[in-house]
Amino acid sequence: GENVEQHPSTLSVQEGDSAVIKCTYSDSASNYFPWYKQELGKRPQLIIDIRSNVGEKKDQRIAVTLNKTAKHFSLHITETQPEDSAVYFCAASTDTGTASKLTFGTGTRLQVTL
Amino acid sequence: DTGVSQDPRHKITKRGQNVTFRCDPISEHNRLYWYRQTLGQGPEFLTYFQNEAQLEKSRLLSDRFSAERPKGSFSTLEIQRTEQGDSAMYLCASSQRQGAEAFFGQGTRLTVV
Repeated sequence: GENVEQHPSTLSVQEGDSAVIKCTYSDSASNYFPWYKQELGKRPQLIIDIRSNVGEKKDQRIAVTLNKTAKHFSLHITETQPEDSAVYFCAASTDTGTASKLTFGTGTRLQVTL
Repeated sequence: DTGVSQDPRHKITKRGQNVTFRCDPISEHNRLYWYRQTLGQGPEFLTYFQNEAQLEKSRLLSDRFSAERPKGSFSTLEIQRTEQGDSAMYLCASSQRQGAEAFFGQGTRLTVV
């Protein structure tokens, strides 16, 4: 089955700096790669996703890149703010219609300091 | 709140007891997922329904676990003869169709003592 590895496990940046989180996946059939943000005690919330037919996607301060050949994808947060502090999870999925589970990475705890 | 709702939010039970959790997905979402999340880990897939059909089950879902979605709307997850290792956050998610975003509920935190 799919295996997703995520690095780093913790990341501390100063407000205004950029943060990069990297994930690798094992199943070349995976075609959907969402990123979730989870604040303490709250539900995971989708912040951005990318599909296998796209190499990069951007939404304001957040961007995701995908390298299908190398089987890795990354989350980039620019101009970080204290409210970006949370745990971020990458995930991979092979959505074939009848099979649609997300396999998550182990998470990155991002701390944005003032 | 029109999001995914789960009940109860917290459950403390004694080892050996049975527990049942409920998930109400977003209206008209035909896909429903159950995940388990332990401290410091990402959510782990347990099972997936498309309408009332249970299409996939993880190896994590031992014979003590059973999930149902009888009318294709809400779902229940039952754990029989609970063990301390079952202590975790149980998350439900739903999506509208193939390739659509999955929305998570707030989860049910289970503590087995």
